[in-house]
Amino acid sequence: EPEVTQTPSHQVTQMGQEVILRCVPISNHLYFYWYRQILGQKVEFLVSFYNNEISEKSEIFDDQFSVERPDGSNFTLKIRSTKLEDSAMYFCACAVHNEQFFGPGTRLTVL
Amino acid sequence: TQLLEQSPQFLSIQEGENLTVYCNSSSVFSSLQWYRQEPGEGPVLLVTVVTGGEVKKLKRLTFQFGDARKDSSLHITAAQPGDTGLYLCAGAGSGGGADGLTFGKGTHLIIQP
Repeated sequence: EPEVTQTPSHQVTQMGQEVILRCVPISNHLYFYWYRQILGQKVEFLVSFYNNEISEKSEIFDDQFSVERPDGSNFTLKIRSTKLEDSAMYFCACAVHNEQFFGPGTRLTVL
Repeated sequence: TQLLEQSPQFLSIQEGENLTVYCNSSSVFSSLQWYRQEPGEGPVLLVTVVTGGEVKKLKRLTFQFGDARKDSSLHITAAQPGDTGLYLCAGAGSGGGADGLTFGKGTHLIIQP
């Protein structure tokens, strides 16, 4: 069964550094998303992406964040200058219609 | 801002008992999804309900979407230790596939043998 994959599984970085989180969505899915989950808290929507552009973004998704689909398979989330409060699990998801399928997540730790 | 309230937050019962968890909102959702999440992993989709009043069954799990599409419930019959986990509900707005999901905080379920 097709799955969403994410790399790396764990990323440790220093405050102020740039990080790029990578996702390979399910191949025939058209909508792509990033979510984050701070430890012990609920899953929060960051951004949705369709037809090579951002469809919707939350208040969390400020100018420090960007997304890209550089080729036909990868979907990336870049955090330009990480802050301590960016430490969280980041989940990629994709959908054909209204069912979203999630990847296993990248645990980002900012020191 | 759409909010989803899940109750109870924690539930511990004996194997073989029945249970219901609830997901409530003052907002209308175009669809509602239930996920199960293990520690350190991504949410795994269990079911999507779309039509008001819809009932879907997945083995011993029964999911219902409220008539007004503002609430949902998950009922587990004869709970098993393997049902232990975090159950999340998540609602989609009216923007179709482009909408991000609004998640509840989840119900932590423990089934004791």
